[in-house]
Amino acid sequence: SAVISQKPSRDICQRGTSLTIQCQVDSQVTMMFWYRQQPGQSLTLIATANQGSEATYESGFVIDKFPISRPNLTFSTLTVSNMSPEDSSIYLCSVEGSGWDTEAFFGQGTRLTVV
Amino acid sequence: RKEVEQDPGPFNVPEGATVAFNCTYSNSASQSFFWYRQDCRKEPKLLMSVYSSGNEDGRFTAQLNRASQYISLLIRDSKLSDSATYLCVVNGSSSASKIIFGSGTRLSIRP
Repeated sequence: SAVISQKPSRDICQRGTSLTIQCQVDSQVTMMFWYRQQPGQSLTLIATANQGSEATYESGFVIDKFPISRPNLTFSTLTVSNMSPEDSSIYLCSVEGSGWDTEAFFGQGTRLTVV
Repeated sequence: RKEVEQDPGPFNVPEGATVAFNCTYSNSASQSFFWYRQDCRKEPKLLMSVYSSGNEDGRFTAQLNRASQYISLLIRDSKLSDSATYLCVVNGSSSASKIIFGSGTRLSIRP
């Protein structure tokens, strides 16, 4: 199993500003995943963060808007840049267990409101 | 077609009832299947893995039908505390996105 500490848990931000979300894992993991969950929706993968290389972004998400850092095997940050009200959402980081039974473990989520 | 599809519900059932959800997936090469539970304003948490032989955990039974590419979750003797959103999760086909989430089925248990 993995324990993930994510912060902040929530924030209210002004339009045009940026917010950086942090995730710390209690063990070393190769890949960390960043998801967005809009109200009433399921999780949408934003990007996969690999240590030592650039993140891999899913269709519809770009590095300029969601820059990601992965300085080591236990830590990652996601920045939501130049925010607009449409960015109001829950952002979650995740890691997967090893082996074929790849259960996902999640951080507690960051509830972002952009005003 | 979505890679993982679920009936969004909501399912509103009385306490003590039996309720079942289905989920279909499009990638026949998928290997791992899960049901996650997500409470309001919380992160998803694993409820149970789904094995080819099916598995049961107390009041919860999960089944996998590879031929028809669906998985199911059965909840017996439902409790008020079972009210949540249930997410069907399947391992995906791309190297960057191994796990794909369904949109979730909302369940509400009424007294």
